[in-house]
Amino acid sequence: QKEVEQNSGPLSVPEGAIASLNCTYSDRGSQSFFWYRQYSGKSPELIMFIYSNGDKEDGRFTAQLNKASQYVSLLIRDSQPSDSATYLCAVNTSGGSYIPTFGRGTSLIVHP
Amino acid sequence: DTAVSQTPKYLVTQMGNDKSIKCEQNLGHDTMYWYKQDSKKFLKIMFSYNNKELIINETVPNRFSPKSPDKAHLNLHINSLELGDSAVYFCASSQGSTPRGQYFGPGTRLTVT
Repeated sequence: QKEVEQNSGPLSVPEGAIASLNCTYSDRGSQSFFWYRQYSGKSPELIMFIYSNGDKEDGRFTAQLNKASQYVSLLIRDSQPSDSATYLCAVNTSGGSYIPTFGRGTSLIVHP
Repeated sequence: DTAVSQTPKYLVTQMGNDKSIKCEQNLGHDTMYWYKQDSKKFLKIMFSYNNKELIINETVPNRFSPKSPDKAHLNLHINSLELGDSAVYFCASSQGSTPRGQYFGPGTRLTVT
């Protein structure tokens, strides 16, 4: 069974710090990797996607992918209280069509 | 303009009833999905439609049936509702087989009493 694993948290960081969220996946054929943010009572919102090994930066967010080790991470620099949410990792597994598998999410709390 | 919309936002009904949830996207995407998010917040895919063809059908009871009149709409019909069907149902859409992620609707909170 293709799995995506995340630490449920909560991960608590002070305002201004770097928050590091991690995700591992089981399917070596996975091709696309996504991070979503979900505020309580709201729908998931796409933050970033990454396809290639290495880092991808977008504003305060950096996604890191290591296919050999089968992990993908999300770094949030200068964390703000408004970043407090659940972060979902999603993986497009192999097979030709988009078969999204989500992790259970990591709860992030940024305290002032 | 709302990219992915769902109706209704809340749905309270009794066991045994039949209900439908509607979803529409105006993003021009060719693939739409239904997800179920349970009380533990686990987001599980139920169905996916690509150009009117069902391409994913997870182990979902056949009481659930997706219907897509066109590529901008994907409705979810649920027959003989059970207590365990209570959850938040999200519609989403994406473009292509290697999409740049999915866009989610606001969700429908279904409560079965």
